[in-house]
Amino acid sequence: AQSVTQLGSHVSVSEGALVLLRCNYSSSVPPYLFWYVQYPNQGLQLLLKYTSAATLVKGINGFEAEFKKSETSFHLTKPSAHMSDAAEYFCAVSDPGNYGGSQGNLIFGKGTKLSVKP
Amino acid sequence: DGGITQSPKYLFRKEGQNVTLSCEQNLNHDAMYWYRQDPGQGLRLIYYSQIVNDFQKGDIAEGYSVSREKKESFPLTVTSAQKNPTAFYLCASSTWTGTNYGYTFGSGTRLTVV
Repeated sequence: AQSVTQLGSHVSVSEGALVLLRCNYSSSVPPYLFWYVQYPNQGLQLLLKYTSAATLVKGINGFEAEFKKSETSFHLTKPSAHMSDAAEYFCAVSDPGNYGGSQGNLIFGKGTKLSVKP
Repeated sequence: DGGITQSPKYLFRKEGQNVTLSCEQNLNHDAMYWYRQDPGQGLRLIYYSQIVNDFQKGDIAEGYSVSREKKESFPLTVTSAQKNPTAFYLCASSTWTGTNYGYTFGSGTRLTVV
């Protein structure tokens, strides 16, 4: 069964500092991987997704993530944090070979809440 | 623009009352989902539907019911059997074809028991 682990339920950085949010997955095949962002009292918005076309994926708001098969990781980074980046971030994985069944459902990590200090 | 609409944004329920949360999508997605979100617990799957007139229980289906009579609509009823319904509820739909594959989420409904 697939699973997603997000290390750190809370991460705090200073404005202008590097943002690194960790995500590790378990999957028997190269999966589809996603990062979503959620602002308070709102739904989840897609930040970026891994498509197998490139291991380094660029998303919205200056975020990017690198797929490392050997480490089964898909960590999210941003070179310089902005106050508006304060939100909760969710990593998710799906097995691309199981659409149409329950195995095709996205599995979400428990989320990492990012705080940005001025 | 296509998207998912959840209504209402805020909902108050009295003890022993059933309430229904609306979820409508115009993305032509086959699959739809309901999640419950509590602080520190991430997203927990309540029900999902891969096709019209069919739906499956998720991890925490007790005290909830759904219907999928139309492709566009997937309403969630929180019944009086749900003992702790206060939470943030998210609806999503998905497709795995084309370049926009993945999940699209609604903006959520916050349910409070009064």
